[in-house]
Amino acid sequence: AQKVTQAQTEISVVEKEDVTLDCVYETRDTTYYLFWYKQPPSGELVFLIRRNSFDEQNEISGRYSWNFQKSTSSFNFTITASQVVDSAVYFCALSEVSGGKLIFGQGTELSVKP
Amino acid sequence: GAVVSQHPSRVICKSGTSVKIECRSLDFQATTMFWYRQFPKQSLMLMATSNEGSKATYEQGVEKDKFLINHASLTLSTLTVTSAHPEDSSFYICSARDLPPGWVGGEHQPQHFGDGTRLSIL
Repeated sequence: AQKVTQAQTEISVVEKEDVTLDCVYETRDTTYYLFWYKQPPSGELVFLIRRNSFDEQNEISGRYSWNFQKSTSSFNFTITASQVVDSAVYFCALSEVSGGKLIFGQGTELSVKP
Repeated sequence: GAVVSQHPSRVICKSGTSVKIECRSLDFQATTMFWYRQFPKQSLMLMATSNEGSKATYEQGVEKDKFLINHASLTLSTLTVTSAHPEDSSFYICSARDLPPGWVGGEHQPQHFGDGTRLSIL
């Protein structure tokens, strides 16, 4: 069965701290895609990154970086020098091979305090 | 690019009313749209997948007669909550995906989400 686990329900940090959001997934597929989305208090979901199962290169985009490790079925997300605007709920998701339905984790609520 | 517009953003209505929510892809053609429901402090639960011109595919446990989905064009899908009751109060959010013709693996294109509709049934 496909499953995504975000064990951290809530994280609170002070501005400028680095923070890592964990994501562990389960799938029997050899080809799959992983995603991270951000949901600010206003409610919309903002796409952050997509990674396919054959590409284990880490990715950096500004203050954001992602660490994909197939060996541990993890796709962790790190925010460097966090800012108050980073406060949001972050969802990790797995895309099924057939049909591409997204299976979301429970979400991690990040609170960045000034 | 890839903007999805959802309307209305908030609805408050009496029990027994039917409510229609629209989801539009503004700058791309959405061959597939998804409807999700989200309870407070919880994850998104997929309700149904709709492909343009065909019947929606509902997830297990979702009443198709209660949640009517129409995807009549490549830019518009609607969700109608029929005879809504307080337990239908929730945050409903749609997403759209563009599958370029002949593009293998397009089903894994990122889904682009609307801003959501907060439905409150009194």
